This record gives sequence, C-alpha cells and structure tokens, in this order.
Amino acid sequence: GIQVEQSPPDLILQEGANSTLRCNFSDSVNNLQWFHQNPWGQLINLFYIPSGTKQNGRLSATTVATERYSLLYISSSQTTDSGVYFCAVAGTYKYIFGTGTRLKVLA
Amino acid sequence: DAGITQSPRYKITETGRQVTLMCHQTWSHSYMFWYRQDLGHGLRLIYYSAAADITDKGEVPDGYVVSRSKTENFPLTLESATRSQTSVYFCASSTLAGGNEQYFGPGTRLTVT
Repeated sequence: GIQVEQSPPDLILQEGANSTLRCNFSDSVNNLQWFHQNPWGQLINLFYIPSGTKQNGRLSATTVATERYSLLYISSSQTTDSGVYFCAVAGTYKYIFGTGTRLKVLA
Repeated sequence: DAGITQSPRYKITETGRQVTLMCHQTWSHSYMFWYRQDLGHGLRLIYYSAAADITDKGEVPDGYVVSRSKTENFPLTLESATRSQTSVYFCASSTLAGGNEQYFGPGTRLTVT
C-alpha cells in the first residue's frame, strides 16, 4: 500500500516565524489533504490539494504529484497554529494518513 | 447546519461489553468512514461505506461491525470490547464529487477497562 512520511516530526517556533512541513508519498495519488488537529483534538480541513498550489491567508500548500510530495507553508506563525498537522493521501477514497508534524509556537 | 456529529463524545466501558458509536451527517454525502487514532499511528481506516447498505473493510476492521441503513447514519459497533480498542474514533464523510475531500466529526474518546 501507499506509504506516507511527514517531516519534521516535531517543530518548535517562535511566534512570527515561518515554517515548511513536508509530506512524501510512495505511489501516485488522486487525492491529498492537509489537516490541522488542534489541542482539543478537532481535525480541521486546511487544503484539498491533489496537485498545484493553493493559499488561504497565512497558509499555503503545494503538491508536486509527479515527484510525490506536498509542502505546507505557514507564515508569520501564531500560537493558535500549535497542534499536529497531518497529510493524508488516497488513490480513490481510502485515505492513508502520515503520522503528523507536531508544531508548537511559543509566544 | 450541524454537519457531522458523533455520540457519545466520551465513553468508558468494560472488557467484553458491546458498545456502539454513532455518526450522523446532514450533508447527504454518499461516502462515510470510520477511523481510529492511536499515539504513533496517525489515523487508520476501520470501515467505510459508499452508500446505504454498502460497506467495506479498511485497514484495521477486526473486532468492529458497521451498518448503514440510512444515508445520514453510520454506526460503529464493538461487539466485545477489548483494551486494545481504547482509542479516539473519528467519523468522516465525503461526496466523491469533484474529488474526495473528507470532513471529520469531533471524535469519540473510548476507554475500555
């Protein structure tokens, strides 16, 4: 099956810093999502991005499907960005999740 | 518009008991999914359903049973709970129209003692 690797596993930032999270996957996919799991456990959709680039405020994402990776950019980080960021990929409808990047933003 | 809800949000049960976790969505999404989240494993798919009365196994189906008699509901039953089923359970739904963007419920934290 498809393998999903996320890096780095842990990240600590000072408020205002920028960061890049990476998701590598082992096979071609038709679906890719980025989620933020906040400290209360809620999974929040960030991007549905099987290819190309999208931006939403301070967050943006790029997926290069031919090279089997996706990047999530967080600019001017805030303490509310803390939590775990998951990448999930699917050929059709059965998503495989990475183990996440745990981000802590310090005030 | 409530979206996707799960109940109960927290549950403590004993080994060997049957327990059912409920999932309800108001979007009329055709696809629904059950995942479990354990430390170090991310989320893993237990079962999914493509429509009412159509269900199939995911990555970790053993010990679980699902049914889907109505489009909006997708209950997950642990027929005889074991301590290894202590986890956080998430339900999700999607349309598969224009892609497969999944939306998640708030989760149910289940503890089996």
